[in-house]
Amino acid sequence: NAGVTQTPKFQVLKTGQSMTLQCAQDMNHNSMYWYRQDPGMGLRLIYYSASEGTTDKGEVPNGYNVSRLNKREFSLRLESAAPSQTSVYFCASTGIYYGYTFGSGTRLTVV
Amino acid sequence: AQTVTQSQPEMSVQEAETVTLSCTYDTSESDYYLFWYKQPPSRQMILVIRQEAYKQQNATENRFSVNFQKAAKSFSLKISDSQLGDAAMYFCAYRASFANSGYALNFGKGTSLLVTP
Repeated sequence: NAGVTQTPKFQVLKTGQSMTLQCAQDMNHNSMYWYRQDPGMGLRLIYYSASEGTTDKGEVPNGYNVSRLNKREFSLRLESAAPSQTSVYFCASTGIYYGYTFGSGTRLTVV
Repeated sequence: AQTVTQSQPEMSVQEAETVTLSCTYDTSESDYYLFWYKQPPSRQMILVIRQEAYKQQNATENRFSVNFQKAAKSFSLKISDSQLGDAAMYFCAYRASFANSGYALNFGKGTSLLVTP
């Protein structure tokens, strides 16, 4: 099925551990995004990639890095996880017709 | 930067009744797009309705309609004939028409809608 695939769906990390959240879309979208969702805060933009080969910081980039590996894939890396990074993470993409497709989310807990 | 404000953290409606969710936004642009997304407990983000700022006519999708007041920068969502399946978190979102932030959506904090039988 066409869409945005995020892995993993759940993850528990210890403080200081690193991990990479994977995101892939098969809709030939140019733009991809990483958001985090915290209770009462809505979805906040971490990083975005307007096109293959470019990445930029969003509202809350501290503690994260991203890689736009190719047009399909956009990964989010936590180098040294902190409890403040406990959240639900969403990857999304969009093409030229203003439709956005979201992944199913990753629930990350840092203990 | 544009801000999106949803002033109602929680709302409740009885089945078959009508409810209106509020959203205001702040922007200096004249052309932009506004969205309402529904997020049920499954966490899936579902597009409910979209409004282009250059269109004066309010968008409608079946039981869902918006009241778009451009001068007041207000974008409320009306749900008619509410159903149990409408219970969810609802997010208002803004997108600039130009390539600011790579066309990223800017979300409000959400309104949790409870539907009672």
